[in-house]
Amino acid sequence: EAGVAQSPRYKIIEKRQSVAFWCNPISGHATLYWYQQILGQGPKLLIQFQNNGVVDDSQLPKDRFSAERLKGVDSTLKIQPAKLEDSAVYLCASRGTSGATGELFFGEGSRLTVL
Amino acid sequence: RKEVEQDPGPFNVPEGATVAFNCTYSNSASQSFFWYRQDCRKEPKLLMSVYSSGNEDGRFTAQLNRASQYISLLIRDSKLSDSATYLCVGPNAGGTSYGKLTFGQGTILTVHP
Repeated sequence: EAGVAQSPRYKIIEKRQSVAFWCNPISGHATLYWYQQILGQGPKLLIQFQNNGVVDDSQLPKDRFSAERLKGVDSTLKIQPAKLEDSAVYLCASRGTSGATGELFFGEGSRLTVL
Repeated sequence: RKEVEQDPGPFNVPEGATVAFNCTYSNSASQSFFWYRQDCRKEPKLLMSVYSSGNEDGRFTAQLNRASQYISLLIRDSKLSDSATYLCVGPNAGGTSYGKLTFGQGTILTVHP
């Protein structure tokens, strides 16, 4: 079974530039999450989708971050304009409706450095 | 109070030692919790689910104390390969597969020879 795919793996940009990350979840997984993980901290939820609808985006800085999952499959997270404090790993995870209700399957992450 | 709070450590223990981590949570309605393991520069992976009173898997035991609102992870006979960050995850209010999952900040474990 293919895992969660993310790209790009690494991205270096200057502040005020924009960046986009892409995620393709495990086939059939209805729930998709974007987490931000700053070095030394646990993952922080940015947004959760159920199919193509937003379930929770309460911690998404909406003035600069946006995310979409138009067809209920893959998803894009965009940052515009980036700030220094956005340097982090952006983790995409998906979760199915069967099996262990808690198991999130993570992608390898997209590591962002803002200079 | 944070939804999920962990002692960040680090914990440095010799091989063969027993080590325990605690994690407190604020949502008393939460029904199930999870421990994830994250190796350096890797993604988190599920280690154990914690339902009702607890769960055991080999050298690992997870306990849930609803009265005091904390969960624990016990590792017996520590191996070098157990060195990682251990993330406490909850709450999953409602018990559905759609619930919000909040991660603690992680507890760093280093097992040395």
